[in-house]
Amino acid sequence: NAGVTQTPKFQVLKTGQSMTLQCAQDMNHNSMYWYRQDPGMGLRLIYYSASEGTTDKGEVPNGYNVSRLNKREFSLRLESAAPSQTSVYFCASSEGRTGELFFGEGSRLTVL
Amino acid sequence: KNQVEQSPQSLIILEGKNCTLQCNYTVSPFSNLRWYKQDTGRGPVSLTIMTFSENTKSNGRYTATLDADTKQSSLHITASQLSDSASYICVVRTPISGGYNKLIFGAGTRLAVHP
Repeated sequence: NAGVTQTPKFQVLKTGQSMTLQCAQDMNHNSMYWYRQDPGMGLRLIYYSASEGTTDKGEVPNGYNVSRLNKREFSLRLESAAPSQTSVYFCASSEGRTGELFFGEGSRLTVL
Repeated sequence: KNQVEQSPQSLIILEGKNCTLQCNYTVSPFSNLRWYKQDTGRGPVSLTIMTFSENTKSNGRYTATLDADTKQSSLHITASQLSDSASYICVVRTPISGGYNKLIFGAGTRLAVHP
């Protein structure tokens, strides 16, 4: 039971570099999400995809782009990384009825 | 403004003791409230869900309560174990336009259980 799988688990970037975080789920969920988690703050929604073929901005979308490649995969791209994007990123998927989120293990990103 | 506030921010207890974590929310309208447990270095995992009509729900040594009138929820942990050391996150779901829902996250309570 893989659930939600994110890669990479750790990444160090220099300011201005780009990278893509990958996420895949095997639970046949329609909705997928990208969150960031910073110390002392609740999880904040970056982007979400309610279904295959759709994506929408969350609370903190600036500096990020997403792609819902198919029903299983949802990627997050940083085009030009900034130190403010140093964070732990979580991908999640959800079943529709109660909205329970199933999270990946997280990707710890440091931007120098 | 829709907000979820959790207290305390952090808590240290001795193994075997009980503790209660609080969650107050100003979210309206209300769909449900969920408690998640997040172990260090892992993603959050759902512990329990509370709907409007539910006052109390237990999941092993975890008991959640909900008072929809005062907009308060608590998570009580009985006979704590070292494995209970984690962050506990309260999340309130609210319906928005278009048939969608929004999740409002608390900042979490970090619990440390010491031997």
